[in-house]
Amino acid sequence: EAGVTQFPSHSVIEKGQTVTLRCDPISGHDNLYWYRRVMGKEIKFLLHFVKESKQDESGMPNNRFLAERTGGTYSTLKVQPAELEDSGVYFCASSQEVGGAKNIQYFGAGTRLSVL
Amino acid sequence: AQRVTQPEKLLSVFKGAPVELKCNYSYSGSPELFWYVQYSRQRLQLLLRHISRESIKGFTADLNKGETSFHLKKPFAQEEDSAMYYCALSLNSGGSNYKLTFGKGTLLTVNP
Repeated sequence: EAGVTQFPSHSVIEKGQTVTLRCDPISGHDNLYWYRRVMGKEIKFLLHFVKESKQDESGMPNNRFLAERTGGTYSTLKVQPAELEDSGVYFCASSQEVGGAKNIQYFGAGTRLSVL
Repeated sequence: AQRVTQPEKLLSVFKGAPVELKCNYSYSGSPELFWYVQYSRQRLQLLLRHISRESIKGFTADLNKGETSFHLKKPFAQEEDSAMYYCALSLNSGGSNYKLTFGKGTLLTVNP
């Protein structure tokens, strides 16, 4: 079974440009999460999708960030325009259920974003 | 708001020695606690969760609600245990509470 896939693995852009990160969850996982780790800080939650609906977007830093999950399959996270402080590693995770025995989040390898 | 604290940024032990990675949390309810591990050049993966009460790769962790701790222990460390370890918390109380709150992580190095 394929794991959570993220693309690209590394992106280098200039301040003011736009970048789109993609996440393909494990097949059949309705729950999809985005997290990020900026330099020297802990991994922080950005948002949670249940199928195509945003269940919790309390961690989104500002309106330069837009996440979508059309059709409830893969998700994209767009940063427009990118700022220097957006640099970090963006992780995607998926889970089969929330709560209970199947509440395990499986992580992708992450996308390292460098804004110059 | 909930918080997870891992007081040790770095921890170095010798092979065969016992190891304990500390994790404390702040939350007044009944959260679910996890340990995730990231080996070199690999993705973050679940090591164990408190509700499973399992021993994985020789590691155990007991939830102590009185001390609000979830320390990770292994009696005899191996070189292959060298990795970054993250303690994480989930509220699991419905609605928007399934996100993970992470500690800053502890880098464990097991020396030969």
